[in-house]
Amino acid sequence: DTAVSQTPKYLVTQMGNDKSIKCEQNLGHDTMYWYKQDSKKFLKIMFSYNNKELIINETVPNRFSPKSPDKAHLNLHINSLELGDSAVYFCASSQEIKAKNIQYFGAGTRLSVL
Amino acid sequence: GQSLEQPSEVTAVEGAIVQINCTYQTSGFYGLSWYQQHDGGAPTFLSYNALDGLEETGRFSSFLSRSDSYGYLLLQELQMKDSASYFCAVTGGYQKVTFGIGTKLQVIP
Repeated sequence: DTAVSQTPKYLVTQMGNDKSIKCEQNLGHDTMYWYKQDSKKFLKIMFSYNNKELIINETVPNRFSPKSPDKAHLNLHINSLELGDSAVYFCASSQEIKAKNIQYFGAGTRLSVL
Repeated sequence: GQSLEQPSEVTAVEGAIVQINCTYQTSGFYGLSWYQQHDGGAPTFLSYNALDGLEETGRFSSFLSRSDSYGYLLLQELQMKDSASYFCAVTGGYQKVTFGIGTKLQVIP
C-alpha cells in the first residue's frame, strides 16, 4: 500500500490550460504539503494544510489553488499554465511528534508546459 | 525567514567516508533533518536532530550544533547506491520545513 500517492505521474500540456494534481495519504497524518522542485533540484514549499485548514501559503501566484476536502486528501489546481510552471510537484504528509516533523513524499508529478 | 547552505556537489570513493555540511539561518528552529533523493525519485527521510550531538542510524550519522547553527551528515562505508542528492532541512514554526539546495553526491569506484 502506497503511503502518499499522487496522480498523475506525468502531465504534458499546453500553455494557458488548466490542470489538477491529486494527492492522497493513508498514514493518518494531520498535515499535508505541496512542494515544487525546479530543474536545479531546489525543493520549495508552496502550501500546507493541517486538518483541512490552510496554514502555510508561500508567495505562490494565485493561479495555484490548493483544496483539501478532508485531511487525507490535498489537491492542487493550476489555472492558465505558464512555461515557468514546468517542474516536479511533490505532495507530502507529516505528523508532528514532540516537534519532530518527518515528511513522507509522494512519487511526484512531472509537469511539462509546452 | 530561513536559509540553508550546503555544498552543491561532493565526490567520494566507494568504501570511504564523506561528510556533508549544512549551515542555516532561521527565525524559528525545532530541528534539522536530512533527506536522500535519487535521480527521478522522491525525497526520503534519513535522520533528524533536535538537540546537539550525534545521531547514528546504521552507516549514516547526523550531527547538530545549535549554537553554531551547523549540522552535518556523515556517510560511512560508501556504496555506489549512495550516489544521490542529500538535502538538509530545517523545521520551523507552523511545521514549516525549509530545504537546502541539496548536495549531489557521486560515489566512484
